[in-house]
Amino acid sequence: DAGVIQSPRHEVTEMGQEVTLRCKPISGHDYLFWYRQTMMRGLELLIYFNNNVPIDDSGMPEDRFSAKMPNASFSTLKIQPSEPRDSAVYFCASRTSGNTDTQYFGPGTRLTVL
Amino acid sequence: GQSLEQPSEVTAVEGAIVQINCTYQTSGFYGLSWYQQHDGGAPTFLSYNALDGLEETGRFSSFLSRSDSYGYLLLQELQMKDSASYFCAVNQAGTALIFGKGTTLSVSS
Repeated sequence: DAGVIQSPRHEVTEMGQEVTLRCKPISGHDYLFWYRQTMMRGLELLIYFNNNVPIDDSGMPEDRFSAKMPNASFSTLKIQPSEPRDSAVYFCASRTSGNTDTQYFGPGTRLTVL
Repeated sequence: GQSLEQPSEVTAVEGAIVQINCTYQTSGFYGLSWYQQHDGGAPTFLSYNALDGLEETGRFSSFLSRSDSYGYLLLQELQMKDSASYFCAVNQAGTALIFGKGTTLSVSS
């Protein structure tokens, strides 16, 4: 199994630009999670999906952030417009519904907003 | 809401034993998980406790006391490769994991 795949691995952009992060979960996993990691705030849950449906987006910091999961094998996290404080590592994770404790994380996308 | 407390840093020498504590406050508690993250890498699953007691997996063990809202990760026979950040996480109502801020373990020779 290829594991969770994220792209790009690194993204450098300027303030005000739109950023789209991509995630492919492990095949057969029906839960998908987006996390953001910073030194100050640690690993924060942004949003998660079950069977492609957003279940809880209470962690999304503001309206500039949006996430979609059009099918079981693809999800995006979009930031528009981006701001320097959005600089962080964004992780995608997935798991099966039968295994509530073990999440498999992707390698992350390191986002730098100048 | 949820909150988890764990020490920010721990240092130890090779071959030693170290314990990383975690206290939590949460509603709908299902279990306590531990994840390891090496610098620049992704968090990876180490262990999970749903019930009180000790779970052992090789050199690593994890303990949970639900009545005390407390758990710990015990690392034995420390090796240099164990230098990493360790996160406790609570399973929120059987759905998402909420993570603590992490404990950075530095192992020296």
